[in-house]
Amino acid sequence: RKEVEQDPGPFNVPEGATVAFNCTYSNSASQSFFWYRQDCRKEPKLLMSVYSSGNEDGRFTAQLNRASQYISLLIRDSKLSDSATYLCVVNGPGSSNTGKLIFGQGTTLQVKP
Amino acid sequence: DGGITQSPKYLFRKEGQNVTLSCEQNLNHDAMYWYRQDPGQGLRLIYYSQIVNDFQKGDIAEGYSVSREKKESFPLTVTSAQKNPTAFYLCASRASGANVLTFGAGSRLTVL
Repeated sequence: RKEVEQDPGPFNVPEGATVAFNCTYSNSASQSFFWYRQDCRKEPKLLMSVYSSGNEDGRFTAQLNRASQYISLLIRDSKLSDSATYLCVVNGPGSSNTGKLIFGQGTTLQVKP
Repeated sequence: DGGITQSPKYLFRKEGQNVTLSCEQNLNHDAMYWYRQDPGQGLRLIYYSQIVNDFQKGDIAEGYSVSREKKESFPLTVTSAQKNPTAFYLCASRASGANVLTFGAGSRLTVL
């Protein structure tokens, strides 16, 4: 089983749609969770951290379910500019000292006019 | 502006040659990382360094080497021993006490 698993997609949605991605992780001791966004042939950039109580940033909502070990990202009112690959990221074993992060393979979103 | 600079952006190499990818940061971050990304796969950790003159192997260190002689610099050498070196290489850094990584723009290596 991969340490962080995502459905690679692609998810093809029309502008204005609401879309949700899920991600599962295997290490129950993980404490830090993130969503990164990666545009084609570019570097990943932090989209948002994921907090235990869930958090929202504009049209983006992230949630964490520790019991089931999954993280979700909800995008409302999709824009063409949201088209990208979304990476689920979890801190690795012993990462309190090393800062090692485990990256999922990413979920690709294509927003169509 | 503070950030991470990777060079070259594109690099072509013949089989059997060593190449060195540069990574420089002016963020005053202590920790630096090298990741490799292949199509359809997540980022995989090659090497990381938490302090000058110290570095640790990541999950796929075979065929790679690094040095950390200065806080600002963390070059990666892809040696001829690396069997499948064609990939997108990403350098990142992290401030002490933080969990978030900042990435450079990446170097795309193609072996001919």
